[in-house]
Amino acid sequence: KAGVTQTPRYLIKTRGQQVTLSCSPISGHRSVSWYQQTPGQGLQFLFEYFSETQRNKGNFPGRFSGRQFSNSRSEMNVSTLELGDSALYLCASSSGPHRYNEQFFGPGTRLTVL
Amino acid sequence: GESVGLHLPTLSVQEGDNSIINCAYSNSASDYFIWYKQESGKGPQFIIDIRSNMDKRQGQRVTVLLNKTVKHLSLQIAATQPGDSAVYFCADLSGADGLTFGKGTHLIIQP
Repeated sequence: KAGVTQTPRYLIKTRGQQVTLSCSPISGHRSVSWYQQTPGQGLQFLFEYFSETQRNKGNFPGRFSGRQFSNSRSEMNVSTLELGDSALYLCASSSGPHRYNEQFFGPGTRLTVL
Repeated sequence: GESVGLHLPTLSVQEGDNSIINCAYSNSASDYFIWYKQESGKGPQFIIDIRSNMDKRQGQRVTVLLNKTVKHLSLQIAATQPGDSAVYFCADLSGADGLTFGKGTHLIIQP
């Protein structure tokens, strides 16, 4: 079974631009979560989607948004990029929203904002 | 806010020795903990989990210990191998905000 895939793997943008990252969960998984990883703040939860609905949201500004499609694929968007948005963005999928379901992480998208 | 944290940013051990990675948490409502391993260029990989109604759980070469009295969690890796070199994170799922991760401990294996 293929793992979680994220595209693109690397991205370079400039301040003020917007970016869209994509995540394809493991086949059959319906829950997708997004995390931001930086050296200073570590791994931080962004949001979680299940059946096209956002279930939870972390403490990030409104510039960060996401959505999930009917095939469970998910995208996250960051508008008006800031230097501090440079990070590794990780997507994780699980079979369902139950809190004890194991989350499987993708390799991440490395975003650099210049 | 409350968070899950680790005691040491770097741990160096000899190949073949046992490794112990520690984690302290502050949220007394935490009821589920997970250890992840992250190798360079990869996403976190699940190692082992434990619920708050347990104090010990064993996997293949790994053991997680939970001490709720002092809010302490540890990961023990037996007979550490070069492939164990990675950053290890503890994470907590007590709230509704997804996984809350500690900062991570970089495990370095010396030959």
